[in-house]
Amino acid sequence: EPEVTQTPSHQVTQMGQEVILRCVPISNHLYFYWYRQILGQKVEFLVSFYNNEISEKSEIFDDQFSVERPDGSNFTLKIRSTKLEDSAMYFCASSSGTGVTNSYNEQFFGPGTRLTVL
Amino acid sequence: LAKTTQPISMDSYEGQEVNITCSHNNIATNDYITWYQQFPSQGPRFIIQGYKTKVTNEVASLFIPADRKSSTLSLPRVSLSDTAVYYCLVGENQAGTALIFGKGTTLSVSS
Repeated sequence: EPEVTQTPSHQVTQMGQEVILRCVPISNHLYFYWYRQILGQKVEFLVSFYNNEISEKSEIFDDQFSVERPDGSNFTLKIRSTKLEDSAMYFCASSSGTGVTNSYNEQFFGPGTRLTVL
Repeated sequence: LAKTTQPISMDSYEGQEVNITCSHNNIATNDYITWYQQFPSQGPRFIIQGYKTKVTNEVASLFIPADRKSSTLSLPRVSLSDTAVYYCLVGENQAGTALIFGKGTTLSVSS
């Protein structure tokens, strides 16, 4: 069964450093997303991406964040200058948008990258 | 966006049927009701979606009354592996739409 993969599984960085989180969405999917979940809190939407551009972003997704689809398979989230409060689990998700699964908006999540900012 | 309210936690024993109710009084005409499941240290996983009446798949059933102001996720004969957080989401069934999660219901199944 196809799945979303994410690397690394755990990233430790110093405050102020740049990090890039990587995701490989399911191959025929057209919509890509990043969410984050601070420990013990709810899953929060960051950004959605379609047709090589951001389609929607939340208030969390400020100028420190950027996303890119550098090739036909990878989807990345960059945090330019990490803060302590960026420590969280970051989930990548993708959806086909075609309705061939259970829902037009069924999103398939990856296993997450745990980001720890020291 | 329609606000959802669901119990913070529920306990059950193996083999029992579990019903988790979600209220969404301000649901809009175009909104669908979707449930996701999240195991510890994993990403959420789609369980089921419905618009009205009853939907059933191999994992769960979703009951939606005529006024659509609430919905009930029914898990038949739960096992220990069903211990997870269950989220009720309400929104348009449109590709690319952000999923807005609440705090969910933590279901604990014991033997």
